[in-house]
Amino acid sequence: AQRVTQPEKLLSVFKGAPVELKCNYSYSGSPELFWYVQYSRQRLQLLLRHISRESIKGFTADLNKGETSFHLKKPFAQEEDSAMYYCALRDGQKLTFGTGTRLTIIP
Amino acid sequence: ETGVTQSPTHLIKTRGQQVTLRCSSQSGHNTVSWYQQALGQGPQFIFQYYREEENGRGNFPPRFSGLQFPNYSSELNVNALELDDSALYLCASSVKGGETQYFGPGTRLLVL
Repeated sequence: AQRVTQPEKLLSVFKGAPVELKCNYSYSGSPELFWYVQYSRQRLQLLLRHISRESIKGFTADLNKGETSFHLKKPFAQEEDSAMYYCALRDGQKLTFGTGTRLTIIP
Repeated sequence: ETGVTQSPTHLIKTRGQQVTLRCSSQSGHNTVSWYQQALGQGPQFIFQYYREEENGRGNFPPRFSGLQFPNYSSELNVNALELDDSALYLCASSVKGGETQYFGPGTRLLVL
């Protein structure tokens, strides 16, 4: 069965410092991975997906099949990045989410 | 373009009661998925509906059931409520075969 692990429940980073949110997965097939974000008082929304290899709001994530990881990175944190971040794996019709990491940017 | 909407926003029930939660999908979307998010956890997949039929189910007992209507809106029904059913229930809509699910704001259910 698939599994998504986000080892850090909480992460605090100073403004301007690099950010890395960790995500590891367990899946027997070829994974489709996503990062979802939830800002304060807003709904869960897609941040980025590994297939499109895009950079959204300065964030990138690279799929590393050897390490079964999909870590989210940003070189310079901004205060507006404070939010809850969820890594998710798609298996057919369902998304399997990690438990999330609450990122706080310290001004 | 209208986003995903859910009703009600909050609900309080007692153990043993039944509850119905509603979801209207985003314009142009034909698939609806339901998730349960307990406090401090990520969303857990309950089931998905496409063309008014269940199209996949997670590890939830049969007392969790659903419906999808011709306009693609959906209901989640939970019978014989238990205290552990207290959670945020999320609905997400998508296009069948599409990767991205768009989430509603959720319904917060409290079972006393």
